[in-house]
This record gives sequence, C-alpha cells and structure tokens, in this order.
Amino acid sequence: DIQLTQSPSFLAASVGDRVTITCRAGQPTGSHLAWYQQKPGEAPKLLIYRVSTLQSGVPARFSGSGFGTEFTLTISSLQPEDFATYYCQKLDSYPLTFGGGTKVDI
Amino acid sequence: QVRLVQSGAEVKRPGASVKLSCKASGYIFTNYYMHWVRQAPGQGLEWMGMINPSGGVTNYAQRFYGRVTMTSDTSTSTVFLDLPSLTSQDTAVYYCARIDNAFDLWGQGTMVTVSS
Repeated sequence: DIQLTQSPSFLAASVGDRVTITCRAGQPTGSHLAWYQQKPGEAPKLLIYRVSTLQSGVPARFSGSGFGTEFTLTISSLQPEDFATYYCQKLDSYPLTFGGGTKVDI
Repeated sequence: QVRLVQSGAEVKRPGASVKLSCKASGYIFTNYYMHWVRQAPGQGLEWMGMINPSGGVTNYAQRFYGRVTMTSDTSTSTVFLDLPSLTSQDTAVYYCARIDNAFDLWGQGTMVTVSS
C-alpha cells in the first residue's frame, strides 16, 4: 500500500501567516490527491481535489499544488477559523489512504 | 438538502456486534459510491472501504477484509456498516462519505464505544 507522509505534524502559526503543509506519497499518485480540513468534533471538510481544484465555497486563500509524489497545501493568510487539522488523501487507487494529519495551532 | 445522516452513538461490550447506518438524501443515491472512514480518539482518519450502492460491489481495506460488511438498501437510500466481534480497538467515530472526485459529502459521524 502507498503511504502518505505529511509534514509537519504540528505547526504553530499566527493570524496572517502564510502556511505550507507537505504531503509525500510513497509512489506517484497522478493528479488524484485531495486535502481536507477537520475541526474538533466535526466531520472533515473537502478543501481541494485533483491536487489544485478548489471545492465550491472554499476561500481562495487555500491553494494546492504538486506533482508525482510531493504535494503542498498553502494557506496564503491564516485566519482564526483556519486553526484545525489538515489531511491529504490519495484517490488514484485502493486503498484510499489518508496522510497522518497536520495540526495548525496558535 | 443534500446530506448524509448517520445513526446514533453506540456503546457495546467486547465481542458484540454493531450495525451502523447512513441515510442519503437530496441526490440520486445510486449515482455515487459511498465510503466508510473511521477515527479513533485523538487519531487520524482511516479509510475502511467502499460500496457501490447500485449492485452492492464492495472494496475493503486489507485490515478490514473479512472483518466488516458494507451493504446498501436502494429503497431507503441507506448504506450500512456491519462490525462483528468488537474490541476496544474499534472504539472510534465512524463516518460515511460520498465520493465525487473526492469525499465531498460526509455524514455527521457515529461514535462507537467498546467497553466492558
């Protein structure tokens, strides 16, 4: 099974910061990579799919990029509501593995 | 309104079984595969498997193969997750999620607690 490794696992940041989270795959996943945001006590929320396509309703400060085995999620200017845990997920083939998560905190 | 509504929290003894449900509304149920994801307390997301609601074809993660059963009922637009022989390791929130490019629609989650 292809593993997804996220880094960092924890990130201390402040409002207004530019934040970058990395997701590395053990093998190429093509363009089939998504990012989710999860807040405590809530279900995950889809932010980005197919590496860089913003889900409807997601603010433009979120962006995704990458190719092959290395992908990034960038928040251009962190807002108070962005403090959460972020997960990447591969969707090219089963199993649809998630990364270990990155907690963004103050 | 497009949504997935899951069944309520469960508390079970070790060795018992549980059957969770996830009812879809607001869209054509058979047009989208449904997946199950679980999250143990304080841990990350774990993909368990999927079901094609139209026809019932399934695909399970290796660690759940032969352990769980996913079924669907098109008459009620509901998918089910059957978990037998529960252990404390199965204590988690279980989510159903619809896939359309990615998991774009999630249920609210069902907490399953396994404790003696």
